[in-house]
Amino acid sequence: QKEVEQNSGPLSVPEGAIASLNCTYSDRVSQSFFWYRQYSGKSPELIMSIYSNGDKEDGRFTAQLNKASQYVSLLIRDSQPSDSATYLCAVTILTGGGNKLTFGTGTQLKVEL
Amino acid sequence: EAGVVQSPRYKIIEKKQPVAFWCNPISGHNTLYWYLQNLGQGPELLIRYENEEAVDDSQLPKDRFSAERLKGVDSTLKIQPAELGDSAVYLCASSYAGPNSPLHFGNGTRLTVT
Repeated sequence: QKEVEQNSGPLSVPEGAIASLNCTYSDRVSQSFFWYRQYSGKSPELIMSIYSNGDKEDGRFTAQLNKASQYVSLLIRDSQPSDSATYLCAVTILTGGGNKLTFGTGTQLKVEL
Repeated sequence: EAGVVQSPRYKIIEKKQPVAFWCNPISGHNTLYWYLQNLGQGPELLIRYENEEAVDDSQLPKDRFSAERLKGVDSTLKIQPAELGDSAVYLCASSYAGPNSPLHFGNGTRLTVT
């Protein structure tokens, strides 16, 4: 089992719809969870961080965390063509060297007109 | 606030040649990371520094890769000699207090080994 798993997509949604991106992780004691957006040819940029169970909202973005199910998701409301990018889930995994921020392979989102 | 600065943006070298990448983190960020990203993959950690100390270099191929962070600020990542499989994007990132705090990435260096 991969430490952080994401569906690679592409996930296609129409403009104005809700996009739902999902991520599962293997380490039960993970403490910190992040979503990054990466446009083609660019570096990852932070969208959301979440540390506690439940929902965290920031504008059109909502992160949801369920530690019991080892599941974190990102909802994008009113999706826009500019949201088309790869979304990376990142989770701190406890290793011999301490906590390591580990990334999934990313989900490609396409918002269609 | 200035972001993480990396140079060069692009580098093309022949195999067996040496190459070096430079990174200046966000001011005040004690933790500095070097990640490698292959096409279609997520970033993979090469090394993490807390101030001057390399606290996690378990994924750094030490036979050809080396890194340093003098004075706990700027960092350099070196590959010698480069191999074809080293072609990738090398990302530097920094965070205020370890991997439980958000990482901020530089623009990356795209390395092509021919």
